[in-house]
Amino acid sequence: GESVGLHLPTLSVQEGDNSIINCAYSNSASDYFIWYKQESGKGPQFIIDIRSNMDKRQGQRVTVLLNKTVKHLSLQIAATQPGDSAVYFCAEKDSGGYQKVTFGIGTKLQVIP
Amino acid sequence: EPEVTQTPSHQVTQMGQEVILRCVPISNHLYFYWYRQILGQKVEFLVSFYNNEISEKSEIFDDQFSVERPDGSNFTLKIRSTKLEDSAMYFCASSQRQGGEAFFGQGTRLTVV
Repeated sequence: GESVGLHLPTLSVQEGDNSIINCAYSNSASDYFIWYKQESGKGPQFIIDIRSNMDKRQGQRVTVLLNKTVKHLSLQIAATQPGDSAVYFCAEKDSGGYQKVTFGIGTKLQVIP
Repeated sequence: EPEVTQTPSHQVTQMGQEVILRCVPISNHLYFYWYRQILGQKVEFLVSFYNNEISEKSEIFDDQFSVERPDGSNFTLKIRSTKLEDSAMYFCASSQRQGGEAFFGQGTRLTVV
């Protein structure tokens, strides 16, 4: 039968506002986390990463926060722009694995002009 | 800016046929990956490749799948005897170092009919 796709959580924000996208992970052995942006019809695009020995990392207009106690990761986008509209995935890498990166479900960000 | 390129962008094949998806990773990268994304679902790791051999693979990557780096620039994913459920976007990625930022291609949409 036809498989049903996941219903993506959607976050709608006004242009110029800050966006916060959240992600929960379950693998305590994960030591490296990445946020990817995927625009329609394109491959995932690296935004920012963070290692487990840090709890915050800042990039240009983006900040990633890591709370290992509750296994929570967030991506903050400052002054959200229409070009930020996309699906955002958090991804994690197990410290015991070579390269396997496990992606989360994704959050769809809609920026309202 | 260097990028990962994938061909073809869309491949339609009949069930039971073999397909080869092609990728040209970024030239100075050493680690290569294949991921797939079934429509509406999350990105799933298939395999990683380093030093001319598979370094890690997922449960999805069974005997139906194989990867090859036939020359210094191409990285291919072969799917033998395709099934309907193989229909998905297949993304190639590469990174310069283990655990480093992975750059994704635009993907090949595989449709098995």
